[in-house]
Amino acid sequence: QQKVQQSPESLSVPEGGMASFNCTSSDRNFQYFWWYRQHSGEGPKALMSIFSDGDKKEGRFTAHLNKASLHVSLHIRDSQPSDSALYFCAARGSALGRLHFGAGTQLIVIP
Amino acid sequence: EAAVTQSPRNKVTVTGGNVTLSCRQTNSHNYMYWYRQDTGHGLRLIHYSYGAGNLQIGDVPDGYKATRTTQEDFFLLLELASPSQTSLYFCASSDNNNQAPLFGEGTRLSVL
Repeated sequence: QQKVQQSPESLSVPEGGMASFNCTSSDRNFQYFWWYRQHSGEGPKALMSIFSDGDKKEGRFTAHLNKASLHVSLHIRDSQPSDSALYFCAARGSALGRLHFGAGTQLIVIP
Repeated sequence: EAAVTQSPRNKVTVTGGNVTLSCRQTNSHNYMYWYRQDTGHGLRLIHYSYGAGNLQIGDVPDGYKATRTTQEDFFLLLELASPSQTSLYFCASSDNNNQAPLFGEGTRLSVL
């Protein structure tokens, strides 16, 4: 069973709209979270990290972490067609070097 | 600029064949990883390494061997390839645990 669960599996939003992704972990040891983005034909690229409870904002991207509920989310405001990609949540606990990924959410931004 | 380079980018082999996937990073990173990506499963860790000569088992190691010959080079070996190993393989590297691993562009492997 995957330790990191993502929802939804896919998401379509209009250009300029808000895209929201959810991630829940089943391991209370997970303390560090990242969001990655993967465009078709490319490798995943890190978008942002979040290690503390609350919100973290970087430009159009906002991540939110609630360690008590093991829930992390990512919100993209003013979505652009170039945001269309596969988005992964990734988490790490106490074990050195091991990063656990969710199954991903496919985002389509409709012009 | 930090980079992780994988080769080959595409590979086709037959069941029972030997395959070696190569990865080189020029970032002076200590940690290197091999993942496979399959629809519905995301990225799953096969093997990883803390440095030259060090090897750690990941979550889906069966059927795979790995060698870390230098700090820069990490190889994934499939000695008796099976169709279940048809997948997209990614190598990644990182400097420490609080740094997001940097991924290569991937190797698409087909086992017929």
